[in-house]
Order: sequence, then structure tokens, then C-alpha cells
Amino acid sequence: SQTIHQWPATLVQPVGSPLSLECTVEGTSNPNLYWYRQAAGRGLQLLFYSVGIGQISSEVPQNLSASRPQDRQFILSSKKLLLSDSGFYLCACSRGNGQLVSEQFFGPGTRLTVL
Amino acid sequence: AQTVTQSQPEMSVQEAETVTLSCTYDTSENNYYLFWYKQPPSRQMILVIRQEAYKQQNATENRFSVNFQKAAKSFSLKISDSQLGDTAMYFCAFFRRDRDDKIIFGKGTRLHILP
Repeated sequence: SQTIHQWPATLVQPVGSPLSLECTVEGTSNPNLYWYRQAAGRGLQLLFYSVGIGQISSEVPQNLSASRPQDRQFILSSKKLLLSDSGFYLCACSRGNGQLVSEQFFGPGTRLTVL
Repeated sequence: AQTVTQSQPEMSVQEAETVTLSCTYDTSENNYYLFWYKQPPSRQMILVIRQEAYKQQNATENRFSVNFQKAAKSFSLKISDSQLGDTAMYFCAFFRRDRDDKIIFGKGTRLHILP
């Protein structure tokens, strides 16, 4: 079964600083990958998803970006953080490659606080 | 566009009682999946139960069961013999196999199991 790692677990950054959150997946190949943000007391907001290396789709226009340099690596970045970027960031994967599997599996998350 | 609505932001029940969490969704599709995810205080998202829309039989997983009413577009989660460890945020989610395999999440219901 797949295992999702996220790094770092927690992060405190000043406004205007850059950001790089990493997500790596084990136990599956050609997964679909997702970045979600969960603000305090709120639901999940899909930020980006990727169906393959170098293929990124954005759901919400903002100062964040995502990249997928390798099949099982998904990176969330920002050049300049805003206060509103604070939240809990979850990486998720689902089996892609045409397989009829639907559920997503989630990583442990990264708590980002922008001061 | 598909939407998922959870009308109960927060609920509390006594340990060992049965509790039902409501979820309604809106779609014009006929083939899709529905999920309930649990997010305990640890923030790790865990898949609780899955229902395929083409199956009339309600899914069950130990103490967790669903009442799937396709015509009414309703998908409630019943937790029997509730335990303290069931305290969590519960998300209802909708999935339709598509180019991007996105899951649509509801805003969640925060469930407290009281000792």
C-alpha cells in the first residue's frame, strides 16, 4: 500500500519569505497527486493536482505554485508568502494510470504559520 | 458542477450512543463514488467508508455504515456504539472518474464523543 511523506511537519515563516513543501509517495507508481489546504476550522480546498510528471493543474489562482519533478514527488512553492497562506497543507495521492480506483490517501500534513 | 453539503457543523454524543452524520450532494452524473473521511486531532485524513453509486446495498465497515439514497442524493454516515476515538472531523466526499480524478469535499462535521 502507498505511504505518503510530507516535509516539514511544521513551519513558521515571515511574510514575504519563500516556501517549499515536499511530498513524496512510496508504494505506487504513476499516482495522481494533490495539494490541499485546510484553514483553521474549515474544509479542504484543492490547490493543485497532477496526473503525471510535469503536468500541473491549478484550481485556485494565488501566489502558490506546484511542481512534479519526479513521478512520486510533488512540491508546493511560493516566492513570497502572505499571511493568508497560513494553514494546514495536505498532500494526497490516488492511483492513476487508468486504474479504476477512486479513493485518495493523505499524508500527515504540514502546518504552516506565516507571521 | 458537483457540490457536497454537510449541514451539521458540529455534533456531540455520549459514548456508546449511535450518531448519524448527514450529507447531501448534487450531481447530474449516474456513476460516481461517495466517501466518508475522518480527520482526528492528529490531522491525518483516514478513509472510513466508500460507496459506489451503482451498488444499491449500503456499505458497512464494522461500526460504520451508510444510508445511501441515490434518488434523494443523500449519503449519511451512522456510527454505532460510538467510542472516544471516534472524536474527529468527518468529511463527506464525492468522486467521479474523470480526466483529473478530483474529489469534492464537504465542509465537514466536527463530532465530539463525550465520556
